[in-house]
Amino acid sequence: AQKVTQAQTEISVVEKEDVTLDCVYETRDTTYYLFWYKQPPSGELVFLIRRNSFDEQNEISGRYSWNFQKSTSSFNFTITASQVVDSAVYFCALKVQGGSEKLVFGKGTKLTVNP
Amino acid sequence: NAGVTQTPKFRVLKTGQSMTLLCAQDMNHEYMYWYRQDPGMGLRLIHYSVGEGTTAKGEVPDGYNVSRLKKQNFLLGLESAAPSQTSVYFCASSGEGGYGYTFGSGTRLTVV
Repeated sequence: AQKVTQAQTEISVVEKEDVTLDCVYETRDTTYYLFWYKQPPSGELVFLIRRNSFDEQNEISGRYSWNFQKSTSSFNFTITASQVVDSAVYFCALKVQGGSEKLVFGKGTKLTVNP
Repeated sequence: NAGVTQTPKFRVLKTGQSMTLLCAQDMNHEYMYWYRQDPGMGLRLIHYSVGEGTTAKGEVPDGYNVSRLKKQNFLLGLESAAPSQTSVYFCASSGEGGYGYTFGSGTRLTVV
């Protein structure tokens, strides 16, 4: 069975601080995909990144970066120089190859960035 | 290109009433899903479909039924609504390999 754990329920930081959101996953499959989504207060789900299990290169997109480590089954997300607009709930999700293509979500981390 | 459209966006039901949530996608995706989101629980899969005419149970299927008569539409039905079904419902669709995984904007349902 697949499982995603986001141990941090809520995080509060002051603007311009760096913040890392943790994601640990469990699967016995060798081919899988990891995702991060952002859910702002407006409620929609915003896709941030998709990573497959064979690509362990870190990804950087502007102030966002992702650290994928298969050895620790982690896919952590770092926001550099956080801004108030980064305040949202962030979800990590896992999909295994083939079958239903369904996503298994973590419970989410609520990030609050204070001015 | 609308992507995934959910209707309605908001609904209040009385206990025991029935309703149908409609999900429509225009991306020719084979796979469609219904998730529910509850505070502190993340998104949990209710039912899904791997193609027209197919449906399957997800993690929390009790109290819901679904149908996929047309490839572009995936309907979620509540036959007899209960307060425990108060939630935000998200529909999603995807292609092979999870490419193009797209979510609708959500339906906020309150059962009183």
